[in-house]
Parts: sequence; structure tokens; C-alpha cells
Amino acid sequence: DAMVIQNPRYQVTQFGKPVTLSCSQTLNHNVMYWYQQKSSQAPKLLFHYYDKDFNNEADTPDNFQSRRPNTSFCFLDIRSPGLGDAAMYLCATSREAGLYEFFGPGTRLTVL
Amino acid sequence: QKEVEQNSGPLSVPEGAIASLNCTYSDRGSQSFFWYRQYSGKSPELIMFIYSNGDKEDGRFTAQLNKASQYVSLLIRDSQPSDSATYLCAVNGVSDKLIFGTGTRLQVFP
Repeated sequence: DAMVIQNPRYQVTQFGKPVTLSCSQTLNHNVMYWYQQKSSQAPKLLFHYYDKDFNNEADTPDNFQSRRPNTSFCFLDIRSPGLGDAAMYLCATSREAGLYEFFGPGTRLTVL
Repeated sequence: QKEVEQNSGPLSVPEGAIASLNCTYSDRGSQSFFWYRQYSGKSPELIMFIYSNGDKEDGRFTAQLNKASQYVSLLIRDSQPSDSATYLCAVNGVSDKLIFGTGTRLQVFP
């Protein structure tokens, strides 16, 4: 089945220890998004790629970086996680910007 | 004013009743409107989208859009306990990015 896959599903890291989350898709969608969602809050867009074009949200901390080496894969790097970065990280894809977004299962990040 | 507003709930309805979830948005230029269901600890799942004024029905779900009033709603008929979840309203905004509301928690009790 075509889908969006995120690995790992659960990630525990220590304060300040870099972590990388991955996302892959078999939908061949042009757009890939990374969201952060904390409890009882709306998903917060961190950045998105339209094909290879990277778009960073103005309020996304410099601590967060992303890579999209090809159409299928996208990575979220958190260089020095703080306690406030503990959240669910959601990857989503869309055939075109403005159309509905298809979400992966998410990665739950815990920072100790 | 928040760009997309929803009542956080919880909205409690008995099994078999109609659940009515509401959403207002601030950008008059928005063209696409989406309803996602999110179970606790899970990712959002698209259940409906609507682009034109009026009603759109899909099974037990009906989305209603009124662009003049900047209002979109979701009706769930014959509510089931399995419908208990948070429902996120999303609206396309500047640069075609989706703007999400904080969601309405729905509880359907037997």
C-alpha cells in the first residue's frame, strides 16, 4: 500500500544529544512537510519542501534542520534537543501545495 | 484573532446522536477546507474535504461550508463510541499552507 512511513516511532534522547528522524513516502508526492505537535495543540509547521525547494517557517528554531535527498525521503535533524522539544513529530505529504495532506504515523520524541 | 478557531470541547453526545463540530477562519481568500480526525497518540487522518459552498456528504459525515460567514462545520450522524477523537479543522492559507485549528475533542458515550 502507498503510504508515509516514519522511523523510529518512538525516540528517546538526552538533553543536547543530536537526533535524526526520518520519513519516507511511496505516494510520489511533490510536497513533504514536517510538523511538531504538542499535547492538546494544533500541529505546528516547521518546514516544507516543494520538490527540492526548501521553505522554512519564520519561527522555526535554528536547532531544527531538514534534508530531502530525493523525492521519497525527508529527514528532520534536531541538533541539540532541549526539554521543550519533546513532542510528536509528524511528516506529511501532498501531491501539490494546498491540497490535502497525508500524514505518517508520527515519531514521539522524549528528551531526558 | 486566531486564524482557525474551534471550540476545544469536550463535546459529549450519546451514541446514535448527531455530533456537530464547528470551525471559523479569518482568511477570506481561503479556498480549501479539511477535517481531520486524530485519536489520542495517533497522527491526523483526513476524513473530509470541501471546496465549494454548501454541503458535502460522505457516509455518516457531512461537511458544510459557508464562505460568506467564514464558517465550516462537520456533522457526524449516528455517532459511535469509535468516533470519540479530536477533530481538527484545517484551512489553506498564505502560500497554500494548511492552517490547523487546535481541535475539538468529541466524546460519544454508550
